[in-house]
Amino acid sequence: QQQVKQSPQSLIVQKGGISIINCAYENTAFDYFPWYQQFPGKGPALLIAIRPDVSEKKEGRFTISFNKSAKQFSLHIMDSQPGDSATYFCAASKNTGRRALTFGSGTRLQVQP
Amino acid sequence: GAVVSQHPSWVICKSGTSVKIECRSLDFQATTMFWYRQFPKQSLMLMATSNEGSKATYEQGVEKDKFLINHASLTLSTLTVTSAHPEDSSFYICSARGLAGIDIQYFGAGTRLSVL
Repeated sequence: QQQVKQSPQSLIVQKGGISIINCAYENTAFDYFPWYQQFPGKGPALLIAIRPDVSEKKEGRFTISFNKSAKQFSLHIMDSQPGDSATYFCAASKNTGRRALTFGSGTRLQVQP
Repeated sequence: GAVVSQHPSWVICKSGTSVKIECRSLDFQATTMFWYRQFPKQSLMLMATSNEGSKATYEQGVEKDKFLINHASLTLSTLTVTSAHPEDSSFYICSARGLAGIDIQYFGAGTRLSVL
């Protein structure tokens, strides 16, 4: 059972455009939702994270929108740049037990100059 | 952000040998460390969770006798792939979480294991 579903699988955006990646989760016990950026051959790097008591969080060009009732959250990258080309993963964890992350399947973003 | 160092970054070994991968939290004490495996163009799959001084908790389907995890201190966890075979070739990534109640996980740069 895939607990965090991510779409699209790949995305091509022109420089300066907005990149939007969506995730949906099933487990209502999840209460922490981070987004990670991964370049080839490297480990994931935390971009931004949100908790269910907030509907939106913005850090620089990156914004998370969170819809608790729909159990969905999304990452918006404003003014996308070629350097943003990477794979993006959404994730979720519960506030009990080991609090391990459950990752989405990933989105390969390509920003064309 | 906090720094997690993973070593080696790339290792090639012969089939049947054992390989040890180290994961260190450089500027914080890691109460919990996680080990993931990632195949090309796929997501991260959690293998096991380790807490300092206690036995690791393995995910279903992960052979604990093949993937030995030791979390000897609050800054070091090791993953040993025993009797490695070509199907163990993969990208292994560790992450560390600090203070209790803080959910942020910081990831190492990963180790690419190639078993000949």
